[in-house]
Amino acid sequence: DADVTQTPRNRITKTGKRIMLECSQTKGHDRMYWYRQDPGLGLRLIYYSFDVKDINKGEISDGYSVSRQAQAKFSLSLESAIPNQTALYFCATSDSRLPGQGYNEQFFGPGTRLTVL
Amino acid sequence: AQSVTQLDSQVPVFEEAPVELRCNYSSSVSVYLFWYVQYPNQGLQLLLKYLSGSTLVESINGFEAEFNKSQTSFHLRKPSVHISDTAEYFCAVTAWDAGNMLTFGGGTRLMVKP
Repeated sequence: DADVTQTPRNRITKTGKRIMLECSQTKGHDRMYWYRQDPGLGLRLIYYSFDVKDINKGEISDGYSVSRQAQAKFSLSLESAIPNQTALYFCATSDSRLPGQGYNEQFFGPGTRLTVL
Repeated sequence: AQSVTQLDSQVPVFEEAPVELRCNYSSSVSVYLFWYVQYPNQGLQLLLKYLSGSTLVESINGFEAEFNKSQTSFHLRKPSVHISDTAEYFCAVTAWDAGNMLTFGGGTRLMVKP
């Protein structure tokens, strides 16, 4: 079974609808991240959470909100979807407690392809 | 803050030919550098990383990258590509004071042709 799962894998919705994308992990990691991928722009950070009570905005948080329901679950919501939120969305996790050299590897889910009409 | 530029959005190459995917970064502090690979319909996987030590780093599938501090580059190379290397490759950077946050380049689509 995959360590980081995302649901749904594909979603088509209409402008103005509320959408929730979900991410679950079985890796036991404390940190979780949401990115969006657009052609030519790479991945950009939307929100990140260092633990259940620590949630922070990323580079492009406008129009999005998140919820960290448990250490293993991190959901991304689009309160009122608009067409320029059409993108591929990735969840990632990392473990701050592992010994390292100042960086803890991020592990990515398979992505959710969202289309807003 | 850091930034990453991948100079080529697409690189077509024939099978068994060598390839270089270019990556340049900017940062005012010491950095850690990464290459991620995204195969079709999959998430990103870490291909290789530079944290410290030897400036030449290698992956298990024949790719290598060299950290060049003076040129602020971290180009990815493979001497002989396979059809299975067809994927999108992302260069990424973080810094010791960046709280584990990654900054990604725009990606390079490697297309290996038979």
